[in-house]
Amino acid sequence: GNSVTQMEGPVTLSEEAFLTINCTYTATGYPSLFWYVQYPGEGLQLLLKATKADDKGSNKGFEATYRKETTSFHLEKGSVQVSDSAVYFCALSVGASKIIFGSGTRLSIRP
Amino acid sequence: DTAVSQTPKYLVTQMGNDKSIKCEQNLGHDTMYWYKQDSKKFLKIMFSYNNKELIINETVPNRFSPKSPDKAHLNLHINSLELGDSAVYFCASSQETTGAKNIQYFGAGTRLSVL
Repeated sequence: GNSVTQMEGPVTLSEEAFLTINCTYTATGYPSLFWYVQYPGEGLQLLLKATKADDKGSNKGFEATYRKETTSFHLEKGSVQVSDSAVYFCALSVGASKIIFGSGTRLSIRP
Repeated sequence: DTAVSQTPKYLVTQMGNDKSIKCEQNLGHDTMYWYKQDSKKFLKIMFSYNNKELIINETVPNRFSPKSPDKAHLNLHINSLELGDSAVYFCASSQETTGAKNIQYFGAGTRLSVL
């Protein structure tokens, strides 16, 4: 079956630190991969996506590369800000099946 | 204009009551969803409708009944509320349901507290 596993949080970093949130997946077929972000008190919103192997999705300084050989889609940012504090969800979609979300990783950034 | 709007934002009620949550999207999308998010932020899909037809119905108690009067609206009615129903419920919509185009647009959520 299809599934997404992401690192457990919470992750706490100081401002300007480097961020990595790990995400690995299992899928039958060729999935599209997504990162969604949920700011406090809000719904999820798409942060970035990648549709095929070696694609790099990027937005707001965040990046993730679709690695088929390691079935991974790790989220990275070179210098985090307090405003990046949120819950981050890795997700996949394969064919016409429903989107599968990971369990979410809470990120807290200290000033 | 809010793309996906749901009401109410907060709902506090007693066990055994019946309540409804409404959702509307103005994105022109064909597919709408209900998700339940627990206190640990785990997100679980409950239902999905495509152009007023039910296409996803996960293992959800019969007390939960979605209703889609038209493709821009998907309401959730809950009968005989239980303590375990306390959660944040999110409505979402998408234009497509396949692969890279399956981008979900979420409402701000309804926080349901059952006392």
